[in-house]
This record gives sequence, structure tokens and C-alpha cells, in this order.
Amino acid sequence: ETGVTQSPTHLIKTRGQQVTLRCSSQSGHNTVSWYQQALGQGPQFIFQYYREEENGRGNFPPRFSGLQFPNYSSELNVNALELDDSALYLCASSPRSINSPLHFGNGTRLTVT
Amino acid sequence: SQQGEEDPQALSIQEGENATMNCSYKTSINNLQWYRQNSGRGLVHLILIRSNEREKHSGRLRVTLDTSKKSSSLLITASRAADTASYFCATDVEGNQFYFGTGTSLTVIP
Repeated sequence: ETGVTQSPTHLIKTRGQQVTLRCSSQSGHNTVSWYQQALGQGPQFIFQYYREEENGRGNFPPRFSGLQFPNYSSELNVNALELDDSALYLCASSPRSINSPLHFGNGTRLTVT
Repeated sequence: SQQGEEDPQALSIQEGENATMNCSYKTSINNLQWYRQNSGRGLVHLILIRSNEREKHSGRLRVTLDTSKKSSSLLITASRAADTASYFCATDVEGNQFYFGTGTSLTVIP
């Protein structure tokens, strides 16, 4: 069973640039969620994808967008990067059923300078 | 904003002692889960308790849930140095959309 993998592991971008983060879900999982974790804070829900469509969104502006592909992998895109976007971005996959735990990747550490 | 709040923010204990951390949340939930995170890596699922359950055990872990008080507690018995990590509660508000608390940083001193 292959776990959740994220790429890249680290990334440095300049304010105003755009970034794409990638996630491969665990086999058998059709739902992918993205979280932002600032230093010293808990993960904050960005959005969730199911059947290639956004299926719920947290309190994040539209410059945060995503995609899910037929193989359930996913991308997180952030436009017009701001300094406050510096964080650990976590991808989590799960089956589409209530009372299922999330399976997390090790995250992408994004630094915006 | 965070759905939940953990208490205490930080906890330091000796190896072999028990560690208790608490979580409070704000809205109705389907279930509550506890996760562990080592040094800024991914989170690892520890235990899930459903909204109609009051207590659950898994190995050295014991979780309680009081939906009337919107609170939960995680007890780790006979702690080990390897238990040193941050612990988060997460509430499933709507269809696997989880809201995490602020976390408890646990240090177990050998």
C-alpha cells in the first residue's frame, strides 16, 4: 500500500509569484484535502476534492485553487504569493466515508521572501 | 479560525508518567480524532471516537468525549521518550472536512 506523497519537500518563492504543489493520494482513497500549517499552529483546512470537484472550502481567498485528477492525485495552486503564505502545506487523503481517518503526506515547506 | 483548542499548550513529564491533554470544540461533530505530529512532518492518526461514543481505548491511549460539554481528553499512559511530539484534536464537522485545534506540545524526559 503506497502512502500519501507530496512534492516538492521544500520550496522558496518570491512575493507575487505563483506556486504549484503536488500530492499523490494513498491507493484506494478518492478524497483529497489540503491544509495550511503556519509555524506553531494547527493545520487549517483549505479545501477538499472529491470526484475531481471542489467539495468544501475553508476560509481561504480564491487565489488558492486546486485540481484533482482521475487517478485521485491533486494539485494546490497559489497565485500572487504573500509573505503570510509561508507555511507547511499538508495533503491528506481518505476514502469517501464518514468516520474515516485522514492519511497525511509529509508536507511541502513553502517559504515566501 | 481553529475549530478546537487544546489544553495545555505545552506539557513536560518524566518517562513512565501519564500525560493528559484536553480539547474543546465549538460545533456539532460526526466524530473527533486525535493526531500526532513529529517536528513539522505529516500528521499521524492515533484514534477516532464517534459522536455517540463516550470512551475508547487503543493500546496506551484512552480517549473520552463529552458532547454536552463539547470536549475531549487524550490520556497517554506510561509515557516514553518516543511519545515526544505535538498532539492535535480534529473534529469532523462535515463529510471528512476536519478542523484542527492549536495543539499540545508534549515533551517526555527520559
